[in-house]
Amino acid sequence: KAGVTQTPRYLIKTRGQQVTLSCSPISGHRSVSWYQQTPGQGLQFLFEYFSETQRNKGNFPGRFSGRQFSNSRSEMNVSTLELGDSALYLCASSYAGGAKNIQYFGAGTRLSVL
Amino acid sequence: QQPVQSPQAVILREGEDAVINCSSSKALYSVHWYRQKHGEAPVFLMILLKGGEQKGHEKISASFNEKKQQSSLYLTASQLSYSGTYFCGTADNGGSNYKLTFGKGTLLTVNP
Repeated sequence: KAGVTQTPRYLIKTRGQQVTLSCSPISGHRSVSWYQQTPGQGLQFLFEYFSETQRNKGNFPGRFSGRQFSNSRSEMNVSTLELGDSALYLCASSYAGGAKNIQYFGAGTRLSVL
Repeated sequence: QQPVQSPQAVILREGEDAVINCSSSKALYSVHWYRQKHGEAPVFLMILLKGGEQKGHEKISASFNEKKQQSSLYLTASQLSYSGTYFCGTADNGGSNYKLTFGKGTLLTVNP
């Protein structure tokens, strides 16, 4: 069974630009969560999508948005990039989400904002 | 509120044991443990649920003290492959509005 796939693996952007990251979950998984990982803050929850609906949201500005398609693939968009957005962005898929289900992580997209 | 992990870093020799702790200021529904090696995806190790249920790796053991809002991960007879950063993630409810809040991680280094 294929794991969680994130593309691209690396991105370099400049301040003010926007970026879209993609996440393909494990086949059959309907929940996709996104996290930002930085050395200072660790893993921080961005949002979770389940059956094409955003079910939970973390404390990030509105510049961070996402969506989920009918095949459960998810995209995350960051508009008007800032230097502080440089981070590893991880997505995790789960069969149904929820606090008692295992989340499987992808290898992440490393975003550098110059 | 982010759970607090301790220690922040630990260095072991192969065969030694280690304990990693995770404490929360909130009542917990579940605790999730992951290990991440540099440049790789975090890998699931274990979930501990309120009420005593556990799901996870056969060779990893952990405890969950609901009253103290703490969990501990026990690594025995460490191997070189155990090296990495260990994260605990906590959820304070089991409903659909849950979210996992992760600690800042514990860097474990196992030397020959």
